Amino acid sequence: ILNVEQSPQSLHVQEGDSTNFTCSFPSSNFYALHWYRWETAKSPEALFVMTLNGDEKKKGRISATLNTKEGYSYLYIKGSQPEDSATYLCAADSNYQLIWGAGTKLIIKP
Amino acid sequence: NAGVTQTPKFQVLKTGQSMTLQCAQDMNHEYMSWYRQDPGMGLRLIHYSVGAGITDQGEVPNGYNVSRSTTEDFPLRLLSAAPSQTSVYFCASSYSSGTGNNEQFFGPGTRLTVL
Repeated sequence: ILNVEQSPQSLHVQEGDSTNFTCSFPSSNFYALHWYRWETAKSPEALFVMTLNGDEKKKGRISATLNTKEGYSYLYIKGSQPEDSATYLCAADSNYQLIWGAGTKLIIKP
Repeated sequence: NAGVTQTPKFQVLKTGQSMTLQCAQDMNHEYMSWYRQDPGMGLRLIHYSVGAGITDQGEVPNGYNVSRSTTEDFPLRLLSAAPSQTSVYFCASSYSSGTGNNEQFFGPGTRLTVL
């Protein structure tokens, strides 16, 4: 069973500022790395799924990178907006099972 | 498409009672799974299925049973509820057998309290 760590646990960011946070995972037996956005009282929704070392994906102001050799992924948010407030989850895919980090809770201050 | 649906949304049980949490998807997804989410912890996999008739245990299977008689439905049964099973339960599905690089679609969750 993989162990997936996310840091920081929570983050307060001023509206308009850019930010990033980290997901680390064991680099052995790795198939894919998932990022999800989870708003309060809703269900997690997929942002990115990445498989290859060096992958970079972008959706609007949010982007992610993947380093499978050293076992980490970064999620970046450019020009934070209040609607970006959510918990961001990452999950490592290994052998038909997704192992989830505990999430980074992002709070955007107006 | 309704996506992934779960019933009930809320449930209160007494210790020792049994019940079934329902999960259904109308996207013809092969892979379905059940998670529990507890404060301060990540989603933990209970059971999963890579297709009709096939199920397997995840990280925390004890006290739960599943079956997958159809592609659409994946019920989770609590055999004898315990307070430690108080949690929020999420069902999820994805296109192919094996999560591979396929995103998960989540149901709305079931909040279960065991007294």
